[in-house]
Amino acid sequence: EDQVTQSPEALRLQEGESSSLNCSYTVSGLRGLFWYRQDPGKGPEFLFTLYSAGEEKEKERLKATLTKKESFLHITAPKPEDSATYLCAVPFVAAGNKLTFGGGTRVLVKP
Amino acid sequence: ETGVTQSPTHLIKTRGQQVTLRCSSQSGHNTVSWYQQALGQGPQFIFQYYREEENGRGNFPPRFSGLQFPNYSSELNVNALELDDSALYLCASSSGLAGGETQYFGPGTRLLVL
Repeated sequence: EDQVTQSPEALRLQEGESSSLNCSYTVSGLRGLFWYRQDPGKGPEFLFTLYSAGEEKEKERLKATLTKKESFLHITAPKPEDSATYLCAVPFVAAGNKLTFGGGTRVLVKP
Repeated sequence: ETGVTQSPTHLIKTRGQQVTLRCSSQSGHNTVSWYQQALGQGPQFIFQYYREEENGRGNFPPRFSGLQFPNYSSELNVNALELDDSALYLCASSSGLAGGETQYFGPGTRLLVL
């Protein structure tokens, strides 16, 4: 069964303190891994799609990487505005393009 | 380019009532997926519509039903509401069914069942 697990569940950082979030997955025939950012009470905002092991993508202070079993979201020198829940998801192609989400990592960056 | 929109933003219902939530997909997208997100959890897939046909359903009872219209907008209907149906309901649009297409989410509808 396709599964997505994120760790840690929560992360408290000081402004400027870099860290990494983990997303591990078990899925047959990966067709992409997606990272989203979600602010409280709002819909997920698309960040990155990674398709193959070794691929990396960057956006401002965020960098996503992918291996055959997991993905990392690196936050470099975070600012308070980076505080959010970060979700990763993989498509379950046997049910159309259904996304299976991890439980998310809640990141709080304190000034 | 208009993004995904949802209405209403908030809704309060009582147990046993019925509710209809609406979603307008992003321009150029023909696929709409619905998700339920309980507090503190990741979104759970309800079902997906592609060109007005249901294309995949998650582990939700039949009282959760949907429609997609010719303009690719969509509705989610929930009958006989239960307290556990209280959640953020998210709509996402994408283009095609090859797998791996990016899904873009709307702002969600917060449903509270009393």
